[in-house]
Amino acid sequence: QSVLTQPPSVSAAPGQKVTISCSGGSSNIGNNYVSWYQQLPETAPKLLIYDNNQRPSGIPDRFSGSKSGTSATLDFTGLQTGDEADYYCGTWDSSLSIFVFGTGTKVTVL
Amino acid sequence: QVQLQESGPGLVKPSETLSLTCGVSGYSISSGYYWGWIRQPPGKGLEWIGSIYDRRDSFHNPSLKSRAAISVDTSKNELSLRLSSVTAADTAVYYCARQFMRHQIIRRVSYYSYYMDVWGKGTTVNVS
Repeated sequence: QSVLTQPPSVSAAPGQKVTISCSGGSSNIGNNYVSWYQQLPETAPKLLIYDNNQRPSGIPDRFSGSKSGTSATLDFTGLQTGDEADYYCGTWDSSLSIFVFGTGTKVTVL
Repeated sequence: QVQLQESGPGLVKPSETLSLTCGVSGYSISSGYYWGWIRQPPGKGLEWIGSIYDRRDSFHNPSLKSRAAISVDTSKNELSLRLSSVTAADTAVYYCARQFMRHQIIRRVSYYSYYMDVWGKGTTVNVS
């Protein structure tokens, strides 16, 4: 059972904006940096955001991340059919001394 | 370009030990970073198994009850996972990944940055 909670699914029309939340606690999101991963169907996850709001090279700027208190958010604008995937947040949990993933959110393009 | 490739038996019998290997190319394992494993049961989310830094510092997920052992072979530039006493619940796709960790202490408060920046394609393991 994950300590980070995400909505199971989010859907939007092409071109719209999508927001995915990730809720945790003081031992994980509250005091550590958050990363986000995109998992396209039948493929390995890919790093989208690290250190709350940093994009690795090659990730378009329509993906952005933020953190406030014990919650984090992934936003992406200009939704495309190629964005249909599962999205996971993750962070270090200082109490457990392990990395924890969120429950995952499936994004559907209407 | 850093690439990781998992390999291992696709089928393991219950109670036996699962052994997986991850070959790393384009980067020396001994040059830094943590290296570790993540798994994903069919239709479910991601579970972090653990990681190791240069044969010494390591972390393991206690949910696996000490069944998992991660090691690195710098001469072969590869890492390994051994998972003992497997059951059907260990059926999953297993990914190896390069893992970045940074620890800061600011005004006596500890902050960790930890993320997986390079992933292998994964290998499917069935326990049956």
